[in-house]
Amino acid sequence: DAGVIQSPRHEVTEMGQEVTLRCKPISGHNSLFWYRQTMMRGLELLIYFNNNVPIDDSGMPEDRFSAKMPNASFSTLKIQPSEPRDSAVYFCASSLRGTGSNEQFFGPGTRLTVL
Amino acid sequence: GNSVTQMEGPVTLSEEAFLTINCTYTATGYPSLFWYVQYPGEGLQLLLKATKADDKGSNKGFEATYRKETTSFHLEKGSVQVSDSAVYFCALSDLNQGAQKLVFGQGTRLTINP
Repeated sequence: DAGVIQSPRHEVTEMGQEVTLRCKPISGHNSLFWYRQTMMRGLELLIYFNNNVPIDDSGMPEDRFSAKMPNASFSTLKIQPSEPRDSAVYFCASSLRGTGSNEQFFGPGTRLTVL
Repeated sequence: GNSVTQMEGPVTLSEEAFLTINCTYTATGYPSLFWYVQYPGEGLQLLLKATKADDKGSNKGFEATYRKETTSFHLEKGSVQVSDSAVYFCALSDLNQGAQKLVFGQGTRLTINP
């Protein structure tokens, strides 16, 4: 299996621009998670989906952030408009819910820099 | 609410030294406990886990025992290698409350010098 795939790996953009991060979970997994990692705040859960349905978005910082999962093999995290404080590494993770194990498999991350 | 507290880093050791990274947790219900490792430039990957009290998780020479009486899950390794240099995260998940969230500690950066 290819593991969780994220794109792009690196993104540099200017303040005010729209940014879209993409994630392909492991085939067969039915839960997907978006995290943000910074030095100041550590690892934060932004939102997660079960069977493509958003379950908990309480970690989404504000309305500038939105996430979608149109099907079981694809999810996006969009920031519009972006701000310098959004600079971070964004991770996507997936898991197989209902097996008794809560192991999450992480992608390599997208390093976002907003100038 | 649920929370995880790890020992402050960074931790620097010499090769073949004994490693302990402390982790304590606060939770309602019966959490599963995890250690994840993050190598430079990569995402987190599961190192080991324990699902009930007194369980011992082990992998790659690392061990951690789920201690309910002290609400701890300390990570240990008898002889570290340079390749163990990474950031280590303790985490919990409370499945009994239907939550799939992983609550992570702040991470401990480990550097092993040859």
